[in-house]
Amino acid sequence: NAGVTQTPKFQVLKTGQSMTLQCAQDMNHNSMYWYRQDPGMGLRLIYYSASEGTTDKGEVPNGYNVSRLNKREFSLRLESAAPSQTSVYFCASSEKRQEGSYNSPLHFGNGTRLTVT
Amino acid sequence: AQSVAQPEDQVNVAEGNPLTVKCTYSVSGNPYLFWYVQYPNRGLQFLLKYITGDNLVKGSYGFEAEFNKSQTSFHLKKPSALVSDSALYFCAVRDRAAGNKLTFGGGTRVLVKP
Repeated sequence: NAGVTQTPKFQVLKTGQSMTLQCAQDMNHNSMYWYRQDPGMGLRLIYYSASEGTTDKGEVPNGYNVSRLNKREFSLRLESAAPSQTSVYFCASSEKRQEGSYNSPLHFGNGTRLTVT
Repeated sequence: AQSVAQPEDQVNVAEGNPLTVKCTYSVSGNPYLFWYVQYPNRGLQFLLKYITGDNLVKGSYGFEAEFNKSQTSFHLKKPSALVSDSALYFCAVRDRAAGNKLTFGGGTRVLVKP
């Protein structure tokens, strides 16, 4: 049981380059999330998808786009990378047990460490 | 808007001594509260949660947390720390009125010395 799988694990980009971070979960979860982790700032939500076919902005969406390709996959795209996007990116998923019930814990991937020079 | 504060960047404790990691929160409605742990080069792992009911919640690896509504706190505790408990700990809150968004604190690094 792989859980949440993120690729790549490491990436170095030059300013202005684009890339897509991939995420897949095999737990049949409805909700998926992208967070970034910066020292001393905890995790900040970039985008989330409450269910297949829907996406919503989180706390820090600028400079990113997402695609919920199907129930398993949720990708994060940087169209024109900037040094401020140097961070560790985490994908997570959770099971929404019933409408209006958001007490399910998140399951995280191991992260993508991105450096933009 | 909801928020979480972890007032200590780092907590040092000797192995075998009690461990406490502090967390306070602010929400407009009733909270769902969570603790996660992160080991080096890994994603966060769920430890425990408070939804409703008993204010003392027991979780994985011998950890527990106490919900205090009047102090808006949810401190993580372990009676006897192990060296292997050394990690980064995050408190998180969901406001039941704010749907699916989870807000994390800045994290507290725990160092357990032999």
